Amino acid sequence: EPEVTQTPSHQVTQMGQEVILRCVPISNHLYFYWYRQILGQKVEFLVSFYNNEISEKSEIFDDQFSVERPDGSNFTLKIRSTKLEDSAMYFCASSGWRTLSGANVLTFGAGSRLTVL
Amino acid sequence: TQLLEQSPQFLSIQEGENLTVYCNSSSVFSSLQWYRQEPGEGPVLLVTVVTGGEVKKLKRLTFQFGDARKDSSLHITAAQPGDTGLYLCAGAAGGTSYGKLTFGQGTILTVHP
Repeated sequence: EPEVTQTPSHQVTQMGQEVILRCVPISNHLYFYWYRQILGQKVEFLVSFYNNEISEKSEIFDDQFSVERPDGSNFTLKIRSTKLEDSAMYFCASSGWRTLSGANVLTFGAGSRLTVL
Repeated sequence: TQLLEQSPQFLSIQEGENLTVYCNSSSVFSSLQWYRQEPGEGPVLLVTVVTGGEVKKLKRLTFQFGDARKDSSLHITAAQPGDTGLYLCAGAAGGTSYGKLTFGQGTILTVHP
């Protein structure tokens, strides 16, 4: 079964350092997303990406964050200068066309755990 | 801002019992999805409900979308230890917010043999 793969599974970094989280979405999917989950809290939407540009972003996704699809297969999330509060599990997801019912079906990766010290 | 309140947060039951998990909101969603998440993995979609009043069954799991599309429930009949896990509901706003899901806080279900 097709899956979304994420690397690294766990990254530990010092506050102020840049971090890049990588994702390989399902190959024929067109829409890509990043979500995050701080320990003990809800899964939160960060950003959606379609046709090589950001479709929508949440208030969490400030200037410290950026996304890119550099080569047609990878989808990356960059955090320019990490803060302690960026520690979380980051999930990448992808989806294809809307289903006939109009609903959007996302496939999530296993997540990348980011620990900022 | 759309919010989804999921209850209960924790549920511990014996094998064979029935249970219901609820998701409630004051906002209307275009669709509502239920996910199951295992430790160390991402959420895995169980079902999507789209139409108000819709009921979907997945073996012993029954999902319902409220008539006004503001709430949903997951009912498990005769729970088994294999049902143990984290269950999440997530609502889609629809329209131009394609793929932006609002998640509930999750229900940790433990089914004891």
